[in-house]
Amino acid sequence: NAGVTQTPKFQVLKTGQSMTLQCAQDMNHNSMYWYRQDPGMGLRLIYYSASEGTTDKGEVPNGYNVSRLNKREFSLRLESAAPSQTSVYFCASSVKKVVRGSRVTNEKLIFGSGTQLSVL
Amino acid sequence: AQSVTQPDIHITVSEGASLELRCNYSYGATPYLFWYVQSPGQGLQLLLKYFSGDTLVQGIKGFEAEFKRSQSSFNLRKPSVHWSDAAEYFCAVGAGGFQKLVFGTGTRLLVSP
Repeated sequence: NAGVTQTPKFQVLKTGQSMTLQCAQDMNHNSMYWYRQDPGMGLRLIYYSASEGTTDKGEVPNGYNVSRLNKREFSLRLESAAPSQTSVYFCASSVKKVVRGSRVTNEKLIFGSGTQLSVL
Repeated sequence: AQSVTQPDIHITVSEGASLELRCNYSYGATPYLFWYVQSPGQGLQLLLKYFSGDTLVQGIKGFEAEFKRSQSSFNLRKPSVHWSDAAEYFCAVGAGGFQKLVFGTGTRLLVSP
């Protein structure tokens, strides 16, 4: 089925360990995103990639790195995991929509099913 | 910077009753507004969106929302709730470029028999 695929679904790390969360989409979307979801805080943007070859910081980028490997894949890396990074991580992709002349917005975000990460 | 407030953390509604979830935004210009729904263990799914034009927008699953500029609100409504509507609902505002989507903290809907 077309959509956004995230791996792994669950992960437990010890403080200081590293890992990479994988994300792939097969909808030919240009834009991809990584969000984290914490209780009472909604979703917060970590990093995004507006197009292949570009990445930019979102609201909470500290402690993370990303790679836009190609148009399909956008990975999130934790170099040295900390307990504060315990969260549910969502990857998403989207297409742009031009609205009212030159202004653009997301048509809509398509989300993966999430990765539940615990850092002990 | 834009922001979104969802004042209700939890709401319980009887099956068959009407529903209204509140969303207030802060943004200097006309925003782009979205409602997403998240079922347990799943990612978010778009319910509906407002970009321009008619301020009453229809979405999937029988939901609708009304953009009220004077009140800076975009409340989500459904005339008759079904047990399958139990989920968490997120309002979001997009402004200043398509990547700058800000989510509210969510409202968890419980449906009682």
